[in-house]
Amino acid sequence: EVQLVESGGGLVQPGGSLTLSCTASGFIFYDYAMYWVREAPGKGLEWVSGITWDSGRTGYADSVKGRFTISRDDAQKSLYLQMSSLRPEDTALYYCVKDISFDLGGRLDSWGQGTLVTVSS
Amino acid sequence: QSALTQPASVSGSPGQSITISCTGTITDVGGYIYVSWYQHHPGKAPKLIIYEVNNRPSGVSNRFSGSKSGNTASLTIFGLQPEDEAEYYCTSYTSDSTVLFGGGTKLTVL
Repeated sequence: EVQLVESGGGLVQPGGSLTLSCTASGFIFYDYAMYWVREAPGKGLEWVSGITWDSGRTGYADSVKGRFTISRDDAQKSLYLQMSSLRPEDTALYYCVKDISFDLGGRLDSWGQGTLVTVSS
Repeated sequence: QSALTQPASVSGSPGQSITISCTGTITDVGGYIYVSWYQHHPGKAPKLIIYEVNNRPSGVSNRFSGSKSGNTASLTIFGLQPEDEAEYYCTSYTSDSTVLFGGGTKLTVL
């Protein structure tokens, strides 16, 4: 059974930094593209970032480009999201998500339960 | 990067069929087969129900069907059931190597 467990969320002040982690199990992690998707309170889902199976390609939403960095450690079966220059509008539940394949096709087939990031003074 | 356009809400009675549209541009929906649909019940993780326009993951009911024409993709749910009441989202891969979500459509089963 595929399991994705996020951690690292919390309360941070505007302008601060935070790193989210996602630990995967139940599948061959290095075979799949991975993503971060967020859901702000009372709003819809927003794609944040994605990374291919081999880290050869990454993508970012315009709203986070230049502030967030996605990475993966296949040996640790882990996905990361380094977030800096955080803004109140980054407040959201952040999901770690797996693709059905190795490339960035946006086929989000397995989701974690999410970790909550709150940006507030 | 503007969100894909979905109707805010749709409704139908049990047993009826409904269709939800998802409109983008040639640089996303119209240019790629990578259109997916998700069902999202409050408090639960979203569930992939259609990928690559019209493919269903294993275990997803054949009452869910996807299609695309030009820059607009569509999700049709046949034989509505009470448990289908949820928020539905479309996504598309884009020419910028990003993924766009639609704004979401709330389905009410009357």
